[in-house]
Amino acid sequence: GAVVSQHPSRVICKSGTSVKIECRSLDFQATTMFWYRQFPKQSLMLMATSNEGSKATYEQGVEKDKFLINHASLTLSTLTVTSAHPEDSSFYICSASWLAGIETQYFGPGTRLLVL
Amino acid sequence: DAKTTQPPSMDCAEGRAANLPCNHSTISGNEYVYWYRQIHSQGPQYIIHGLKNNETNEMASLIITEDRKSSTLILPHATLRDTAVYYCIVSSGGGADGLTFGKGTHLIIQP
Repeated sequence: GAVVSQHPSRVICKSGTSVKIECRSLDFQATTMFWYRQFPKQSLMLMATSNEGSKATYEQGVEKDKFLINHASLTLSTLTVTSAHPEDSSFYICSASWLAGIETQYFGPGTRLLVL
Repeated sequence: DAKTTQPPSMDCAEGRAANLPCNHSTISGNEYVYWYRQIHSQGPQYIIHGLKNNETNEMASLIITEDRKSSTLILPHATLRDTAVYYCIVSSGGGADGLTFGKGTHLIIQP
């Protein structure tokens, strides 16, 4: 199956700082990437959808100025959590799909963010 | 996307077949049934998907009823490593649209 990686796997930061998470498709060109968030004991919630070269589309309730998404190439999308606060502590997971395999999306291993 | 209903948890003995049910009575004609699983603290892993025919791959089999209102994921010989939360999701654009995850079924494989 298609491989998606994320970096870093876990990060601890101080309140008020910004954190960047990278999502890479390793063996395919990802025309669409998705960002999800998962709080403890809850299910995944879609945050935003990004298509290469276009602005991301955010789900209702997700602040686009706080969660900056860049999808500048077909293999890389980044999520920047700006001015992070303890309530942003969560498990952030990306997924990716490509036009030929449009029926399926593949997930990265996730990034655990802890904001102190 | 149509909603799905799954039992919150199930047990299965190691080596036996694990049969995970899913109801999706409001599924539309162009919606696929997808199964993913999430092992603790990892990203979801794609298992299988289908539209109306039964499907089989190296991981599992997917049985979809003729009216498409329910389906069953079958893991033929469960191992301890199959312990995970299994999500049944219906979507018309699994690669083009974000997926709506429910609470899934926590499958526990007993030794």
